[in-house]
Amino acid sequence: KNQVEQSPQSLIILEGKNCTLQCNYTVSPFSNLRWYKQDTGRGPVSLTIMTFSENTKSNGRYTATLDADTKQSSLHITASQLSDSASYICVVSAGSNDYKLSFGAGTTVTVRA
Amino acid sequence: SAVISQKPSRDICQRGTSLTIQCQVDSQVTMMFWYRQQPGQSLTLIATANQGSEATYESGFVIDKFPISRPNLTFSTLTVSNMSPEDSSIYLCSARGQVNTEAFFGQGTRLTVV
Repeated sequence: KNQVEQSPQSLIILEGKNCTLQCNYTVSPFSNLRWYKQDTGRGPVSLTIMTFSENTKSNGRYTATLDADTKQSSLHITASQLSDSASYICVVSAGSNDYKLSFGAGTTVTVRA
Repeated sequence: SAVISQKPSRDICQRGTSLTIQCQVDSQVTMMFWYRQQPGQSLTLIATANQGSEATYESGFVIDKFPISRPNLTFSTLTVSNMSPEDSSIYLCSARGQVNTEAFFGQGTRLTVV
């Protein structure tokens, strides 16, 4: 069983609307949580990284939240644009050395005009 | 930040042949990794590329099939050996600095084995 579960698997939103993606994890001991955006045919690009003590972090129109107690994270996209169409991947790392990353399967977001 | 150049970006190969993928980072990094990504699925770690020594492979991946080199802190190669159609996938190089820092990815190599 994957230690990082994302939902929904995919979603379609209209340009200008907001959406929220969910990530639940069981990775332990927790080190940090990252959100990545992966455009089709490209490598993942980092949006945010949060450690245990951080519960929210923003990067432009992207805002990530983290609840380390319930092991949940969300990524909120505000005022979506066509260029937001991509796969969004939640990545959790464990342990003191942080090198081993556990990847979610991603949420595919399609923004339509 | 780090910029990772990965090549080739895509290739179509005959079964039984081998392909070497190169990964170049524009700055010295502590760790480099190789991943595989099947369509619509999450990334799977193949191995950690260790500078000057043998790579550390994850369960299900072996050196004979995926030999890896890392001669210095900014360059690594992954070879997919004796390819079969099951090896068709996207292969991604990744690099990181210290703990709790960003992990950067190359643009990936889309491999099709026919």
